[in-house]
Amino acid sequence: AQSVTQLDSQVPVFEEAPVELRCNYSSSVSVYLFWYVQYPNQGLQLLLKYLSGSTLVESINGFEAEFNKSQTSFHLRKPSVHISDTAEYFCAVSEWGGSEKLVFGKGTKLTVNP
Amino acid sequence: DSGVTQTPKHLITATGQRVTLRCSPRSGDLSVYWYQQSLDQGLQFLIQYYNGEERAKGNILERFSAQQFPDLHSELNLSSLELGDSALYFCASSVGTGGSTGELFFGEGSRLTVL
Repeated sequence: AQSVTQLDSQVPVFEEAPVELRCNYSSSVSVYLFWYVQYPNQGLQLLLKYLSGSTLVESINGFEAEFNKSQTSFHLRKPSVHISDTAEYFCAVSEWGGSEKLVFGKGTKLTVNP
Repeated sequence: DSGVTQTPKHLITATGQRVTLRCSPRSGDLSVYWYQQSLDQGLQFLIQYYNGEERAKGNILERFSAQQFPDLHSELNLSSLELGDSALYFCASSVGTGGSTGELFFGEGSRLTVL
């Protein structure tokens, strides 16, 4: 079975500051890793994913995450945040060759203040 | 717009009652997933169907059941409702053809309030 730990439930930052949202996972098998974002009153949207290859993955809106197998981590970073990045961010894993169901962390609420 | 449609968007009912939540997946997607989102439990996987067959089961209560119909839409039935069942219920879909692209497409959710 897999599990995901998001260490921070809330992260307040000022606009244009850098941010890191932490994610650690536990699994007895190899996994795929994902970050999803949920804006207020909306469903979840895929932000980025790691399936294989380069351990650094990027999204189109400036976020990046690095897969670290030895530390079982997949932290999400952005060098300069905008007000519009205010949302809840969920880290998730799915099992290689499995059913594709995602196991989510409890989420980190990112609030960007002016 | 993810292409996944959930109805109803909001539902208020009383304890002991039964409700049905409906989900239409994206065109061409064969897998449907149900998740429950609550403040204390976060996003909990309930159940997955692939092309009409149950594929994976999570923390779904015996009072809850689901099915996927030949046209691939799915329904989640919640019965003998309790106050603790109040939550946001998400449906998601994926191509689900094996291997994993990992991208699930989520609907906007059905908010259930049990009074």
